[in-house]
Amino acid sequence: NAGVTQTPKFRILKIGQSMTLQCTQDMNHNYMYWYRQDPGMGLKLIYYSVGAGITDKGEVPNGYNVSRSTTEDFPLRLELAAPSQTSVYFCASSLPPGLAGRNEQFFGPGTRLTVL
Amino acid sequence: QKEVEQDPGPLSVPEGAIVSLNCTYSNSAFQYFMWYRQYSRKGPELLMYTYSSGNKEDGRFTAQVDKSSKYISLFIRDSQPSDSATYLCAVNAGGTSYGKLTFGQGTILTVHP
Repeated sequence: NAGVTQTPKFRILKIGQSMTLQCTQDMNHNYMYWYRQDPGMGLKLIYYSVGAGITDKGEVPNGYNVSRSTTEDFPLRLELAAPSQTSVYFCASSLPPGLAGRNEQFFGPGTRLTVL
Repeated sequence: QKEVEQDPGPLSVPEGAIVSLNCTYSNSAFQYFMWYRQYSRKGPELLMYTYSSGNKEDGRFTAQVDKSSKYISLFIRDSQPSDSATYLCAVNAGGTSYGKLTFGQGTILTVHP
């Protein structure tokens, strides 16, 4: 299993540009998440999904959009990129409650985004 | 007030030392407590998981939760250079909030040979 994969690894955007961060998992996990990690700030939840067709906002959703058309994929869309969106973005997945004994989330390797 | 506070360090110790990492939290609804380890330029990985108060040991690692004081700790015995990483505490209330983890800021640990 590849686990959680993310593309691209790095990206530089100009202010106002848009892009989609891709995330795919091959563990058949229902739950998927997007986090951002700023230096010294831990991880903050942007959006999450409990299954195909179901998404909900996390702590910091402004400036982002998501969709979940399949169990495997959970892309994150940035519209009108701003310097405040410079960060490292992590996608994660997990089993649903009742099946996930350790409440464990499996993380991808991250996408480093710079907005100039 | 942040929901989870973690001393950001950085923490530098010699090989073989006992390391203590700590977090405090403010919401008494949290009942699941986790420690994630993150190596440089990698995604976090779950290291320890605890439900409610008490201690949990796994090899050189011990996780401790005191719900009465809203305090969680991770102890590393006989620390090794391979333990050098950022350690993130995370909490969750479960129920309808399942999966919505709240992370601390992370503590950067360096273990010198």
